[in-house]
Amino acid sequence: AQKITQTQPGMFVQEKEAVTLDCTYDTSDPSYGLFWYKQPSSGEMIFLIYQGSYDQQNATEGRYSLNFQKARKSANLVISASQLGDSAMYFCAMRDLNAGNMLTFGGGTRLMVKP
Amino acid sequence: GAVVSQHPSRVICKSGTSVKIECRSLDFQATTMFWYRQFPKQSLMLMATSNEGSKATYEQGVEKDKFLINHASLTLSTLTVTSAHPEDSSFYICSARINGEETQYFGPGTRLLVL
Repeated sequence: AQKITQTQPGMFVQEKEAVTLDCTYDTSDPSYGLFWYKQPSSGEMIFLIYQGSYDQQNATEGRYSLNFQKARKSANLVISASQLGDSAMYFCAMRDLNAGNMLTFGGGTRLMVKP
Repeated sequence: GAVVSQHPSRVICKSGTSVKIECRSLDFQATTMFWYRQFPKQSLMLMATSNEGSKATYEQGVEKDKFLINHASLTLSTLTVTSAHPEDSSFYICSARINGEETQYFGPGTRLLVL
């Protein structure tokens, strides 16, 4: 069984500063994928970044980077140079290869960027 | 990224009526789509996996006769909430995956309010 844990229900960050959102996971599958999604108040789920379990390098997408520490089973999201528009819910998710590629989501972290 | 649409975006109905929600992949074909449900301030919970041309796979605790899923084509899956009750009020969101790719792309969601 899989489990995704986001231990920070809410976080504040000052505009233009970097912030790290934590995500730990537990799986017995050697092959898996980790995702981060952003959900603004409108409700849509916006894909941010993906990390495969066999990827050698940490994923990066613009201001988003994923600090993947496989041995510790953590996949923290780092947002650099925070902007007011980054205020939203952020969800970490894991793909279950053995269950038709369904995604299991963490509980989410609400990020609030202060001007 | 790929585009997934949902219709309607918001619906209010009386208790006992049925509501149909459509999920379309606009610029790609999706043999598999996923339906999630999200209560306020909670994470997404997978309800079912919709498979084109075959029966949907429901998660434990989700009534298949209550939430009818039809995936009649490679670009359309529908979720029908039958005999809706106030406790069915929620945010329903679908996702689809491009065959061979890792990322699931989400629709904008449907807010259902049952009076």
